[in-house]
Amino acid sequence: AIQLTQSPSSLSASVGDRVTITCRASPGINNALAWYQQKPGKAPKLLIYDASTLQSGVPARFTGSGSGTDFTLTISSLQPEDFATYYCQQFNSHPVLFGGGTKVEIK
Amino acid sequence: EVQLLESGGGLVQPGGSLRLSCAASGFVFSGYAMGWVCQAPGKGLEWVSSISDSGTRTHYADSVKGRFTISRDNSRNTLYLQMHSLRAEDTAVFYCAKYQLENYYDRSGYYDLQTLEYWGQGTLVTVSS
Repeated sequence: AIQLTQSPSSLSASVGDRVTITCRASPGINNALAWYQQKPGKAPKLLIYDASTLQSGVPARFTGSGSGTDFTLTISSLQPEDFATYYCQQFNSHPVLFGGGTKVEIK
Repeated sequence: EVQLLESGGGLVQPGGSLRLSCAASGFVFSGYAMGWVCQAPGKGLEWVSSISDSGTRTHYADSVKGRFTISRDNSRNTLYLQMHSLRAEDTAVFYCAKYQLENYYDRSGYYDLQTLEYWGQGTLVTVSS
């Protein structure tokens, strides 16, 4: 089975900061990775699919990159509405797995 | 606008049963695979089950296999999750989700190895005596 490791589990950042979240898969998963944003008490929202494709309506400050085993989600300039928990998800093979999440908090 | 509205959650005793429903609108329901994902209080996301667009194929996480049954009624645009033999560790918010690609099957015949594009707001299931 695939192992999916997301890091860090939490981070503190300021508005305007560049933020990077990492997801590592073992073995590799081609580009079968998605990123979701979840705010407290709300449903997850799709941000990025196929590792690097921006979902319609998602601001361009969100960027996904990577292929194979190492993936990153980058927020180029953190905005107040971006404070949330972010999850990666692999869908290359079953069992479909989510990463453990990264909580982005206000510094 | 895609809308997914879950219902049916609540408090149930260990060993009990519950049926969740998800009413879908804003898209051609019969054209998309659907799924359920759960989230225990304060924890991460866990994929639970999926069903193909036609309803003929289903898939379950090992943790619920034999206890949960996913189904759909394409005439009513509704997804279901029948849960039996509930355990305390099943306590979670259950989200209904729509897969991204219409009428999708990969080369191996999998319909659910794709992104979950839209999610409902969730319904809380609490298993406790």
